[in-house]
Amino acid sequence: DTAVSQTPKYLVTQMGNDKSIKCEQNLGHDTMYWYKQDSKKFLKIMFSYNNKELIINETVPNRFSPKSPDKAHLNLHINSLELGDSAVYFCASSQGDYPPGELFFGEGSRLTVL
Amino acid sequence: KNEVEQSPQNLTAQEGEFITINCSYSVGISALHWLQQHPGGGIVSLFMLSSGKKKHGRLIATINIQEKHSSLHITASHPRDSAVYICAVPESGGGADGLTFGKGTHLIIQP
Repeated sequence: DTAVSQTPKYLVTQMGNDKSIKCEQNLGHDTMYWYKQDSKKFLKIMFSYNNKELIINETVPNRFSPKSPDKAHLNLHINSLELGDSAVYFCASSQGDYPPGELFFGEGSRLTVL
Repeated sequence: KNEVEQSPQNLTAQEGEFITINCSYSVGISALHWLQQHPGGGIVSLFMLSSGKKKHGRLIATINIQEKHSSLHITASHPRDSAVYICAVPESGGGADGLTFGKGTHLIIQP
């Protein structure tokens, strides 16, 4: 049973399109995160949700919007995709946000914007 | 905001060697994470530690809170240990902040 699963694993799309990446965790964790890994393999946090509340919102463009229908899911919706959005996006979860408990990562979703 | 420095950035060693990867940070923290990213891209959490030392198999992580420094050691290294190792700390030392990540250490163990 996969602890943190995200779909799709690969996504190729045109500039200007809108796309979503879904994430689900079956660990019962109360905090979920989205991270972006750029071409230099540098990880940076984008958002986290704790009990359906956004508790971090890094300086990411407002074209990115996290949506959490329940505490097991945190989806990432991206509007008007740009070339610079091409990256690998990782979902993760942990128990507790202060400090963040042990992190469990999804396998990553590689987004390519053409 | 916490700054994280890892060293070395790249490390190539022979199978069986003892490996040390270092991580320094600028703001006092409650806990530090060591992550491993496999060549296939997946990321797994190796350790979360707030003091002293933790051991898991051939991996050992230590932290010195006063010196704001942590090390990850691999004993009897093996080619399957080849991966990127990433250190992560809370962004501003505590509170409801995310993690800030080091740039990673790319480790290659040659047979």
